[in-house]
Amino acid sequence: EVVLTQSPGILSLSPGERAALSCRASQTFTTTYLAWYQQKPGQAPRLLIYGASTRATGVPDRFSGTASGTDFTLTISRLEPEDVAVYYCQQTGSSPAFGPGTKVEIK
Amino acid sequence: EVQMMQSGAEVKKPGESLKISCQGSGYSFETYWVAWVRQIPGKGPEWMGIIYPPESNARYSPSFEGQVTISVDTSVSTAFLEWSSLKASDTAMYYCARFVLGYNGRFDLWGQGTLVTVSS
Repeated sequence: EVVLTQSPGILSLSPGERAALSCRASQTFTTTYLAWYQQKPGQAPRLLIYGASTRATGVPDRFSGTASGTDFTLTISRLEPEDVAVYYCQQTGSSPAFGPGTKVEIK
Repeated sequence: EVQMMQSGAEVKKPGESLKISCQGSGYSFETYWVAWVRQIPGKGPEWMGIIYPPESNARYSPSFEGQVTISVDTSVSTAFLEWSSLKASDTAMYYCARFVLGYNGRFDLWGQGTLVTVSS
């Protein structure tokens, strides 16, 4: 079973700064099976990225995803106040487990 | 409109049974898997199980195997999550999600969530 680890646990940045969120897998798997979600307080998670790097419909282009081996990164190029949320990565195979999440805050 | 609509919040006592629902609309319900996800307040989401409507046999996360039952009624495009005997530790928000399984897998459509509170 693939276990996902996310870091940092909390990321505090100023508006306009670049945010890099890490997701590391315990073993290699096909990168098409990695998705990222955004969850704001009181809301259901929202799909941001699938296939490690494809933005979902309606997702702003300041969000991007990359993959290198067992390391996956979600980047927010210019942080905006509405990006305050918890971000989860997920391995989307037949056992679609989530990582523990990274909370993004605005300074 | 493409959506997954879940049943309303529930308040139950320990030992009671419960079945909550998730109805898909605006898309071909039998074409996609449906997943159930638990989220305890302040914690991350946990996948509980998935079901493919045409086959009706669910696959469960080891953490939830034997604890819940996932089923589907294709005649009303609805998936269900059921408990036979609730515990206080089942208190959580429960989401259903449409699951694209396989290449570019993703939970691309989510229900609004059903809050289940179990308290004596």
